[in-house]
Amino acid sequence: AQTVTQSQPEMSVQEAETVTLSCTYDTSENNYYLFWYKQPPSRQMILVIRQEAYKQQNATENRFSVNFQKAAKSFSLKISDSQLGDTAMYFCAFLSRRYGGSQGNLIFGKGTKLSVKP
Amino acid sequence: NAGVTQTPKFQVLKTGQSMTLQCAQDMNHEYMSWYRQDPGMGLRLIHYSVGAGITDQGEVPNGYNVSRSTTEDFPLRLLSAAPSQTSVYFCASKKRRRGGYTFGSGTRLTVV
Repeated sequence: AQTVTQSQPEMSVQEAETVTLSCTYDTSENNYYLFWYKQPPSRQMILVIRQEAYKQQNATENRFSVNFQKAAKSFSLKISDSQLGDTAMYFCAFLSRRYGGSQGNLIFGKGTKLSVKP
Repeated sequence: NAGVTQTPKFQVLKTGQSMTLQCAQDMNHEYMSWYRQDPGMGLRLIHYSVGAGITDQGEVPNGYNVSRSTTEDFPLRLLSAAPSQTSVYFCASKKRRRGGYTFGSGTRLTVV
């Protein structure tokens, strides 16, 4: 069974600085997706960035980028030029590319609460 | 295009009462799932469905029932509410061969 571990329950960063959130996962599969979701106080789950395991190039979305190390099973999120609106809970998630049965479901880490300070 | 619609947004129940959390999507997604979110636990899968008429249990199914009579709807039923079911509940859906899940806005349920 796959597992996702986020080892930092809480982090803080000064506005305009850079912060990195850690995520490790365990799987025996070779084809899968990895995601970072943001959950602000509004409770909405917002997709921040997605990585497909077969792609060696790290995904980027504006100020958000990932460091995907497939062999090490590591998937960290870097937020550059942090803004007050980045304050949220961040979840790392794994999704198998096998279709059918339980393998089509997201597996989440426990989350990292990020506070951006002015 | 409404996406995934969850109702209600907030609910307070007394222990032993039953209720149904509604989830509807208009994107013709085959996969639908229910998660609960508790502090320090992340999101845990309750039940899921890979298509109309097909449901299965996730990690924490006890005390909950689901059915999937149509592609659009996937209601979650609490049979006899318990304080341990106090949580935030999310419904999510996706196309079978696409990676991204779309989430509803969640239901905050309190059982007293």
